[in-house]
Amino acid sequence: QVQLQESGPGLVKPSETLSLTCSVSGGSVNSFYWNWIRQPPGQGLEWLGYIHYSGVTKSNPSLKSRITISIDTSKNQFSLKLSSVTAADTAVYYCARDAIAYDYWGPGRLVIVSS
Amino acid sequence: DIQMTQSPSSLSASVGDRVAITCRASQGISTSLAWYQQKPGKAPKLLVYAASKLQSGVPSRFSGSASGTDYTLTISSLQPEDFATYYCQQYYSARTFGQGTKVEIK
Repeated sequence: QVQLQESGPGLVKPSETLSLTCSVSGGSVNSFYWNWIRQPPGQGLEWLGYIHYSGVTKSNPSLKSRITISIDTSKNQFSLKLSSVTAADTAVYYCARDAIAYDYWGPGRLVIVSS
Repeated sequence: DIQMTQSPSSLSASVGDRVAITCRASQGISTSLAWYQQKPGKAPKLLVYAASKLQSGVPSRFSGSASGTDYTLTISSLQPEDFATYYCQQYYSARTFGQGTKVEIK
């Protein structure tokens, strides 16, 4: 059974960089695409970006150059960095496996941007 | 960018009702569409992929269909556990979610 788990700070100061890691167990990141999605409190889902084990990435144009997604196949995990955060980046952040659509999700990590 | 317009944003229904939720894509996406169910405080759950294929373990009262750039999720007989928020998602080009439909108890 594939399991994903997000980890990282739950509180980030404005203008700093949000960093999260998604650890994958029961499967390998050497297949499929691996995604980050977020959900602001009380709002809908927003796709942030994905990475393939080959290193190919694609991200939401709305994030412009603030987002970096990387993968570490030796640790079977992938990561998200979002720079210059503001209160608008406060959300639950999810990682998800993208086989044909998102068949496995992490439980989510609430990240609050506040000083 | 491909936009997904989902409707309605909310609906009230009773147990046993037939419910339909629609998403319209801003351009052709073939059958690259998925539907998810989300309950409060939980990650979304995949219901349907490739517009009409039911994910393993999902009850058969859920079904998906497509007509042109319009996609529909139908629940044939609403059950108490189906009260939740539903999202469509296109994966034809990048990824985009619809705005969500909250299904509430009438």
